[in-house]
Amino acid sequence: DQQVKQNSPSLSVQEGRISILNCDYTNSMFDYFLWYKKYPAEGPTFLISISSIKDKNEDGRFTVFLNKSAKHLSLHIVPSQPGDSAVYFCAASAGYSGGGADGLTFGKGTHLIIQP
Amino acid sequence: DTGVSQDPRHKITKRGQNVTFRCDPISEHNRLYWYRQTLGQGPEFLTYFQNEAQLEKSRLLSDRFSAERPKGSFSTLEIQRTEQGDSAMYLCASSRSLGDGYTFGSGTRLTVV
Repeated sequence: DQQVKQNSPSLSVQEGRISILNCDYTNSMFDYFLWYKKYPAEGPTFLISISSIKDKNEDGRFTVFLNKSAKHLSLHIVPSQPGDSAVYFCAASAGYSGGGADGLTFGKGTHLIIQP
Repeated sequence: DTGVSQDPRHKITKRGQNVTFRCDPISEHNRLYWYRQTLGQGPEFLTYFQNEAQLEKSRLLSDRFSAERPKGSFSTLEIQRTEQGDSAMYLCASSRSLGDGYTFGSGTRLTVV
């Protein structure tokens, strides 16, 4: 039972364009969402997060949007650069408000390929 | 401080043997997590420590698995009587709070033959 779903295993985007990675979740107890980036042979690296009280969070080239009614979030990368080529994981927690579990539930990841 | 360290990076063991992995978190982080990742999947939560207290365990953590964090510093994850299904990347992460995100180590890749 996948509570966090990333339905696109891979995505190819031209350098300089916008990359949009999508994530859906089913557990309404999730109140905090994170995006991680992973290169081969390395652990995931934290990128950006958003709590359920917000609908947008921005950090440089990265913006995360949250649509709670649709249980959907997305990560926008503008402009896309060759170094952005990696696997991106969406993750969710029910613990931010202090009332739930602290572990993260991850999606299966989307492999982003930036074409020159 | 160079981040979260995990040792060893790779471990090959025969089925039935015991293995132990070590994780050294970032020194000021009081929260420590273990995750397991298999091919084509995202990391799966195993267990969580706040200081030396193990506060949460996933149902994935069978009785062959045990984790400790003596003195609230480094942590060890032991797998007894390893099975081929235990082959995976074992990731350790630490944080000060959930809002900071986690810092992951590079993982220990376990292969059970």
